[in-house]
Amino acid sequence: AQSVTQLDSQVPVFEEAPVELRCNYSSSVSVYLFWYVQYPNQGLQLLLKYLSGSTLVKGINGFEAEFNKSQTSFHMRKPSVHISDTAEYFCAVSDQRNTPLVFGKGTRLSVIA
Amino acid sequence: GAVVSQHPSWVICKSGTSVKIECRSLDFQATTMFWYRQFPKQSLMLMATSNEGSKATYEQGVEKDKFLINHASLTLSTLTVTSAHPEDSSFYICSAREAGVVFGPGTRLTVT
Repeated sequence: AQSVTQLDSQVPVFEEAPVELRCNYSSSVSVYLFWYVQYPNQGLQLLLKYLSGSTLVKGINGFEAEFNKSQTSFHMRKPSVHISDTAEYFCAVSDQRNTPLVFGKGTRLSVIA
Repeated sequence: GAVVSQHPSWVICKSGTSVKIECRSLDFQATTMFWYRQFPKQSLMLMATSNEGSKATYEQGVEKDKFLINHASLTLSTLTVTSAHPEDSSFYICSAREAGVVFGPGTRLTVT
């Protein structure tokens, strides 16, 4: 079964600084990878996804992620964060198109003014 | 784009009562829907897979007699929490896979 490890439970960062949120997944022949953001008391919002093709994926809100098959990673970056980026971020994986996503435990990003 | 709705968005009920949560695919048909549960400050955990016209498949540790899932049509799956207790208080989220990965907005259940 697939599993996801988000290496950092909390990441504090100053406003306008860059940030990287780390995600590793258990290896599989094929994987589909996702990053979601969740603001307090709200549902999930898809930031970006990797299904196939280019390993560098650009998403919304200035986020991008890179699929690295050899390191089984899908780390996400943003070059300059804003206060409004403070939220919980979840990495998720599935190994087939019609199977449920498996989520990591989440990373709490706190942007400090 | 594909949209999944949930109703209600939040509900408060008394201990011992049952609560039904609806998950609808608004502009596409969903033969498979997934139900997740998220406790405060935790991640989403898959509860069950709901298949149209057949019995749901539950994850290990999820009581199928307590969390009743019905997927009677291609656009509607329901989750009924029977005899709810305070420990069932959680955020319940459904998703459908037919149009990529689409999540509903979630239902916050508080059992008093």
